[in-house]
Amino acid sequence: DGGITQSPKYLFRKEGQNVTLSCEQNLNHDAMYWYRQDPGQGLRLIYYSQIVNDFQKGDIAEGYSVSREKKESFPLTVTSAQKNPTAFYLCASSISGGGLYNEQFFGPGTRLTVL
Amino acid sequence: SQKIEQNSEALNIQEGKTATLTCNYTNYSPAYLQWYRQDPGRGPVFLLLIRENEKEKRKERLKVTFDTTLKQSLFHITASQPADSATYLCALLSGGYQKVTFGTGTKLQVIP
Repeated sequence: DGGITQSPKYLFRKEGQNVTLSCEQNLNHDAMYWYRQDPGQGLRLIYYSQIVNDFQKGDIAEGYSVSREKKESFPLTVTSAQKNPTAFYLCASSISGGGLYNEQFFGPGTRLTVL
Repeated sequence: SQKIEQNSEALNIQEGKTATLTCNYTNYSPAYLQWYRQDPGRGPVFLLLIRENEKEKRKERLKVTFDTTLKQSLFHITASQPADSATYLCALLSGGYQKVTFGTGTKLQVIP
């Protein structure tokens, strides 16, 4: 059963702590993405990766870090430098980053709450 | 500055009618435009992609138009059903990498 998984679904952390969100896909997709969604706002791109061992900053990368050591995995770390980390985080993948193949498959999301 | 605008107010329509959602953009030259559906608390699901040289695309009860002169895409759901109730997002692909930028979405409510 192919798909993209994120864990956990809900995550609570104390202010000042780093936290890592998991994203795994078994679709054999080259490209992976992290988005943040706040109430009443669209998805905002945090980081993206077109191939293994390569990733690029999106529009709101400050306070976040990623790694892409394996094709199927793209974890996101929310650091203590992120000023307002409470949000709904979505991971996605696509066959490649190119236009016609950019249909993005999204995971179920992780809702992070920083107390 | 670049902007993607979708009607932030919810759209309420009667079951069986055609729903029409609008996506307007400024200061973009998108090569492709996508539409996604998002249910509450879930990730978006891809619906349709249309290229800049295509005027119209259809899939079952869905139809998308793309007017690069007006800088607008319209998304139609014909014979709407309560199960079509969701938030619909448009997304533009532009730039060398085909970077994707999403609109804020329009919430559609189909009333039985």
